[in-house]
Amino acid sequence: AQKITQTQPGMFVQEKEAVTLDCTYDTSDPSYGLFWYKQPSSGEMIFLIYQGSYDQQNATEGRYSLNFQKARKSANLVISASQLGDSAMYFCAMREGSGSRLTFGEGTQLTVNP
Amino acid sequence: DGGITQSPKYLFRKEGQNVTLSCEQNLNHDAMYWYRQDPGQGLRLIYYSQIVNDFQKGDIAEGYSVSREKKESFPLTVTSAQKNPTAFYLCASRDGGTLMNTEAFFGQGTRLTVV
Repeated sequence: AQKITQTQPGMFVQEKEAVTLDCTYDTSDPSYGLFWYKQPSSGEMIFLIYQGSYDQQNATEGRYSLNFQKARKSANLVISASQLGDSAMYFCAMREGSGSRLTFGEGTQLTVNP
Repeated sequence: DGGITQSPKYLFRKEGQNVTLSCEQNLNHDAMYWYRQDPGQGLRLIYYSQIVNDFQKGDIAEGYSVSREKKESFPLTVTSAQKNPTAFYLCASRDGGTLMNTEAFFGQGTRLTVV
């Protein structure tokens, strides 16, 4: 069963505006971690932000923040003040319990327009 | 500099031939992963390894094989049994242990084309 769902294949945003990329997940393990990665057209994977299931506050890293709604099992990425360089594929990923398995969603292609 | 090295960056093979993709890391990480990515698609887990001499199948292991004889190395063999091997392959590693917040670091990827 798909454990990570990203329902937005493509998103467009104007430069300097904020954008939210959706991610929902499914797990019965009370302990899990959620990760967001950025993949530019070059193909490299860049780690952006992490949210733990027991974290009391939403994670933030510079212009990136995570809107974590545990009851809804969602972990949406918010990018503030979009820049042209933010145009890339964005992936949500999850690791459950103390295991090593790391599962990714299908990704969202973000395009920032000038 | 510490990192993950995948080689080669581009690889061409004839249909029916086995091919091995290299992945080496000098980050002293315990866990290593192989993912496959098709154009415009997400990353699908092929195999992963938590420690030396141990590995587990991911979601799409059929037609692939791996070994983990050394901590630094996790080579992936794409066998002739893999029906559609043309794809972008990404290797990753992560510091092991029970801490949840350790992110995975990725190599630059190998683009395999089978003709």
